[in-house]
Amino acid sequence: DIQMTQSPSTLSAAVGDRVTITCRASQYIDSWLAWYQQKPGKAPNLLIYKASSLESGVPSRFSGSGSGTEFTLTINSLQPDDFTTYYCQQYNSYDMYTFGQGTKLEIK
Amino acid sequence: QVQLQESGPGLVKPSQTLSLTCNVSGGSISSPYYYWSWIRQPAGKGLEWIGRIYTSGSTNYNPSLKSRLTISMDTSKNQFSLKLSSVTAADTAVYYCARGAYDRSGNYRPPDYWGQGTLVTVSS
Repeated sequence: DIQMTQSPSTLSAAVGDRVTITCRASQYIDSWLAWYQQKPGKAPNLLIYKASSLESGVPSRFSGSGSGTEFTLTINSLQPDDFTTYYCQQYNSYDMYTFGQGTKLEIK
Repeated sequence: QVQLQESGPGLVKPSQTLSLTCNVSGGSISSPYYYWSWIRQPAGKGLEWIGRIYTSGSTNYNPSLKSRLTISMDTSKNQFSLKLSSVTAADTAVYYCARGAYDRSGNYRPPDYWGQGTLVTVSS
């Protein structure tokens, strides 16, 4: 199975800051990497797919980059609504998708 | 716009079978180039991919659950289902159903439409 490792597990930042979350795959996954935002009590919401493609309706302050085994999610000019949990997910493996363990973004 | 809604018992006894259904509205579950997934999340923990089913009926399962898992679909009711047998407390989680897509070239999209989730507790 492909393992996904996110870092950091928790991130403290202030409104207006720029933050970066990293996701590493245990093996090559090309660009088959998604990022989700999840608010408490809600289903995950797709932000980024294919490593860097912004999902329709998602604010442009969210961006993704990377390929192969290392990926990043960057959020520019943090808004109060952005302080929640983020997950990466690989969807390269035909028979098994896996998620990272999550990154909780907290207000400093 | 497609909507998904999970339903099923909120409480299941240990060793019994957990059964959930995902009702799809706003689109046909038989439409080509979609796949229908189950994902779960224990309280306070991360997401775990359970498996998926294609319109053709073919399935992919998480190897760690495969021996206990069945995902099926009922096109006449526009719904798909999850059955997980021999459950334990470790299967207690919020269960989500979701839709993903792919194209003729084999390019996949990750799940983009999700249900709101349903909590299933395994307890006697």
